[in-house]
Amino acid sequence: KAGVTQTPRYLIKTRGQQVTLSCSPISGHRSVSWYQQTPGQGLQFLFEYFSETQRNKGNFPGRFSGRQFSNSRSEMNVSTLELGDSALYLCASSLAQGGAYTEAFFGQGTRLTVV
Amino acid sequence: DQQVKQNSPSLSVQEGRISILNCDYTNSMFDYFLWYKKYPAEGPTFLISISSIKDKNEDGRFTVFLNKSAKHLSLHIVPSQPGDSAVYFCAASDSGAGSYQLTFGKGTKLSVIP
Repeated sequence: KAGVTQTPRYLIKTRGQQVTLSCSPISGHRSVSWYQQTPGQGLQFLFEYFSETQRNKGNFPGRFSGRQFSNSRSEMNVSTLELGDSALYLCASSLAQGGAYTEAFFGQGTRLTVV
Repeated sequence: DQQVKQNSPSLSVQEGRISILNCDYTNSMFDYFLWYKKYPAEGPTFLISISSIKDKNEDGRFTVFLNKSAKHLSLHIVPSQPGDSAVYFCAASDSGAGSYQLTFGKGTKLSVIP
């Protein structure tokens, strides 16, 4: 069974640009969530999608957005990039429909560097 | 406000001995707890979990203990092996929240010395 696939693995962007990251979840998983990992803040929740609907959003500015497609694949977009957006962005998929004890499986992440 | 805390940033253990990693939480709504292992520049790998209806869960060399009254959980690795050297994250979720969100601690770097 294929795992969670994130593309690209590495990305270098300039301040002010925008970026789109992609995530393909494990087959059959309808919940996709995104996390940002930085050395100072650890892993922080960005947002979660289930069946194309955003169910929850973390404490991040509106420059961070996402969407989910009918095949459960998800994208996240960051507009007007800032140096502080440099981080490892992780996507996780799970079977969770809410009210379930279940684990999330993570992709390898996209390392974004903003210069 | 950090809802999940791992107070030890690092831990060194001799190969073959027990590694004990600790985690505290403050949110009473958390009822499912997970441990993940992470290598640099890779995604976290799920290790073991426990629901709030249990106080112990074992999987091979890994055992997680939950003390709900103290809002504390721990991961025991016995025996520790050099390949266990990684950063370990404790995570928690509220299964009744209507969405799926993991709240992570900041991690403990485990070094197993051969």
